[in-house]
Order: sequence, then C-alpha cells, then structure tokens
Amino acid sequence: AQSVAQPEDQVNVAEGNPLTVKCTYSVSGNPYLFWYVQYPNRGLQFLLKYITGDNLVKGSYGFEAEFNKSQTSFHLKKPSALVSDSALYFCAVRDSGNTPLVFGKGTRLSVIA
Amino acid sequence: GAVVSQHPSWVICKSGTSVKIECRSLDFQATTMFWYRQFPKQSLMLMATSNEGSKATYEQGVEKDKFLINHASLTLSTLTVTSAHPEDSSFYICSARTGGEQYFGPGTRLTVT
Repeated sequence: AQSVAQPEDQVNVAEGNPLTVKCTYSVSGNPYLFWYVQYPNRGLQFLLKYITGDNLVKGSYGFEAEFNKSQTSFHLKKPSALVSDSALYFCAVRDSGNTPLVFGKGTRLSVIA
Repeated sequence: GAVVSQHPSWVICKSGTSVKIECRSLDFQATTMFWYRQFPKQSLMLMATSNEGSKATYEQGVEKDKFLINHASLTLSTLTVTSAHPEDSSFYICSARTGGEQYFGPGTRLTVT
C-alpha cells in the first residue's frame, strides 16, 4: 500500500525567502507524485506532478519539486515566497495502476511579510 | 477543461435527516469517481471509490449503509449521508478521474445540528 509522510505540520518563512515543504513517500512500483494547495474552505488546486522524466518538475505559481528516488522524496520548493502562498499544502502519491491518490497529512505554510 | 463541480457547496441539516451531495464532471466523462472526507486541519481520507454502473468500494471503517454512493452516469456521482449525526459534520470532497489524472471538486461543507 502506498503512503505519504509530510513531517512538518507548519512551515514559517519570511516573504522573499526560499521555501521548502517536505514530502517522502512509499509505493510499490513507480510512483506518481503530486502536490496540491488548499485555501480555507476551498477544494484542492493542482500545483504539479511527477510521472516520469526530468527529476525537477515545474508547476503553477512558480512552485517546483524535485523527485529523488534514492531518498523517496518529493519536496516542494519556491525560490521566493509570497504572502499569498500561505495555505495548506498536500503531497499525494499513487502507483502506476488505477489506485486512488493517497494524501499526506498536509503542511500549513505561513509566509510572513 | 477537466472541471468537477459539487452541489451544494455547504449544507446545514438536523440530526436524523439525510443529505445528498452531487458530484459532476462538467466537461469529461469519468468512469471512476472518489469521495474523500476532510476533518478540520487534517488530511483527506478516502471514503470510497465509485465506478459507473457498479457498486462502490468502501475503505475500511467507512459504513456503507450510512454513506450511500451512487454513480448512475459517467458524469454524476452522489453521496447520501443517511440519518446524519453531528459527528458526520465534515468537509466532503469528490474527485473524478480521466486520462489517469484525478480532478477535484470544490468540496461540500456539511454541518449537522
């Protein structure tokens, strides 16, 4: 069975500084990895995904993530944080079959002006 | 493209009544839809997988008689919370799959008084 770990409940970063939100995964076979963002009382917004190919994936709103197979990690990054990036971020994984996405517990990002 | 809608976006009901939540894929057909539940400040927990024309597959611990799922067409799945109780209050999010991707609805906030 697949699983996702987001070790940080909360990440605080100053506006303009780089940010990293950590994610590690466990899956049998090749992983399909995703990042989503959720604003209060809203659904999930897709940020980016890794299926295959280049380990560095670029997504929406300037976010990127790096797939590291040896460390089974898929950390979300952004070079310069904005206050508007403050939200709840979810990492998700599934295997290459038709299984549904499994989500991490989420990391709350707070960007301080 | 790939828009998923949910109706209603929020609902308040009295304890003991039933509530139906609709999930529609607006511009694509989805043979598979998923229902997730999210408690405050927690992750999304998969409740069930529904396939068009067949019975839903429920995750362990989810009461199938309480959470009735019907996937009557390729664009519509419904979740009915029967005999709702305050502990059923939650944020319910549906997801529809097409082309190997999952797309999420905006969620339905259910409050049972």
